[in-house]
Parts: sequence; structure tokens; C-alpha cells
Amino acid sequence: RKEVEQDPGPFNVPEGATVAFNCTYSNSASQSFFWYRQDCRKEPKLLMSVYSSGNEDGRFTAQLNRASQYISLLIRDSKLSDSATYLCVVRPATGGFKTIFGAGTRLFVKA
Amino acid sequence: DADVTQTPRNRITKTGKRIMLECSQTKGHDRMYWYRQDPGLGLRLIYYSFDVKDINKGEISDGYSVSRQAQAKFSLSLESAIPNQTALYFCATSVRGDTGELFFGEGSRLTVL
Repeated sequence: RKEVEQDPGPFNVPEGATVAFNCTYSNSASQSFFWYRQDCRKEPKLLMSVYSSGNEDGRFTAQLNRASQYISLLIRDSKLSDSATYLCVVRPATGGFKTIFGAGTRLFVKA
Repeated sequence: DADVTQTPRNRITKTGKRIMLECSQTKGHDRMYWYRQDPGLGLRLIYYSFDVKDINKGEISDGYSVSRQAQAKFSLSLESAIPNQTALYFCATSVRGDTGELFFGEGSRLTVL
């Protein structure tokens, strides 16, 4: 079993749609969680951190469910520019460095 | 200009050749990393360095070596390239305070024939 698993997609949605991605992680001791965005043939960039209480940044909402060991990303009112691959990233307990990247979920937003 | 710069951006080489990928950063970060990305797989850590005198193996270091020439420079070498080292390679940096955010270079696409 992979340490971080994501549905690879692709998710094809029309502009204005709401789309949600989930990511599951296997290490219950994981402490830090992030979503990165990667455009085609570009470098990953941090989209948002995921906090236990959940967090929102504009049209993006991230949630953490420790009991079920998954994190989610919700995108509302999708834009063409949201088309990208979204990487789920998990870090272990403090004192450990290892950062685990999911393989990513591809999103295509259509006009 | 990018804060984390990688050279070359694209390279095609033959099996057995020695290849060096270079990374330099202007962010002033202490920590630097080399990752590779393959289709269907997450980024995997090759080597990381927390300062000039600190080099550590990541999960897939076999066949690779690194050099931290200065705080701002971290190079990755493939002593004898093989086809399964064909991948997209990323250099990344992070701050000492360990916020968790990684800052990536634009990537170096390596093809080994």
C-alpha cells in the first residue's frame, strides 16, 4: 500500500463546477498536511496547508480527518486556470524529515 | 529570475555517461533537496542537505551522488547513467524553521538512451 494515495483522475469538470479530491495516508503518526499544485511540466507549488480545524482560502477549502486518515480539497466555482495536478503531501511526526508526496490528481476545467 | 534555478533544463544522454545537474538558489535557505518525479509516482527524495557540511541519503539514493558546494549550490551527479534514471528532477529548498513548505526549481528533464 502506498503511504499517500490519491485518485489519479482525470477529473473533467465545466467552469463553475464544484470539485472535491480526497487523499488517504497510511501513517497515523503523520503531523503535517499540505496540498501542492503542479501545472503541466512545471514545478510543484504550495497551494495550502491543511489544519486540523480545516481551512479556507478563497474558493479552496481543505479538510483533515485524522480518524479516517484522509485529507480533502474542495474547489468551488472552478476556473479554467484551476486546470492542474493537485499533489497531496504528508509529513511525519516532528523530529522526522521525510515528506511523502502523492502521485497527484489531474483536474481539467472546461469552458 | 527564478529563486531556485536548475541547469540544464533538458538533457539527453547515453547509457554510461556521467551527468551533473546543478541547482542554485537565492532564497537564503539552509536546506536543499533533490527529488525525481516519474509518471504515476509521487516525487521521491534522492538526497537532502541541511547545511554545507550535512548530506543525507533519501529513499532512492543508489546510483546518485551530491555535492553541496556552498549554501546556495547543490548539485546532483549520475556517475554512470542508465535508462531507468530517465525522469524529471527537481531541486527544492526550505527554511531552517521547517514550516513544511518546499520551494522547487523549474525542473531538469533527463533522458537516458
